[in-house]
Amino acid sequence: AQTVTQSQPEMSVQEAETVTLSCTYDTSESDYYLFWYKQPPSRQMILVIRQEAYKQQNATENRFSVNFQKAAKSFSLKISDSQLGDAAMYFCAYHGGNQFYFGTGTSLTVIP
Amino acid sequence: DVKVTQSSRYLVKRTGEKVFLECVQDMDHENMFWYRQDPGLGLRLIYFSYDVKMKEKGDIPEGYSVSREKKERFSLILESASTNQTSMYLCASSPSQGAHQPQHFGDGTRLSIL
Repeated sequence: AQTVTQSQPEMSVQEAETVTLSCTYDTSESDYYLFWYKQPPSRQMILVIRQEAYKQQNATENRFSVNFQKAAKSFSLKISDSQLGDAAMYFCAYHGGNQFYFGTGTSLTVIP
Repeated sequence: DVKVTQSSRYLVKRTGEKVFLECVQDMDHENMFWYRQDPGLGLRLIYFSYDVKMKEKGDIPEGYSVSREKKERFSLILESASTNQTSMYLCASSPSQGAHQPQHFGDGTRLSIL
């Protein structure tokens, strides 16, 4: 089975600063998708950003962007101009074949 | 907007009880999933389904079963609840297989087994 590793259980960032959350994965497939999900405290998990493996260009969604390094199997999430509402648990996910595989999550604290 | 509704936000049951967790989605998605979420372990897949009356085991199916009699509804069943099944349970749905579409999640059910 594919594995997804998030090596940072907790991260913190000052409001308005930039933070990068790390994610690595292991796969032998060439066609797959990668996702970052956000789960605010006691709230629903929602999609933040997605990246197709065959696209070299890094995905961007407003203040959120990824650094996708296919050869290194790395998929980090950068949050620019951090806001208090960004405080949440962030999960990296791999989608290949028939299943999704999730990392263990990174809890992000935003310091006012 | 996709809506995935889980029947209960909080549930308390006793050891040995048969427990039903219900999930309904309103976007005609073919795929539905049940996960449990535990601190430090992330999301672990229990069962998934790609069609009505179809089910596949995930990574941790022991002690659980599922039912999908209608496309919009996917039920998770704890046959005989045990304390180690105390957890947050998340239901998710996504469009058809192979489309690499993201999953849409419900609010979760926090289940406590006493």
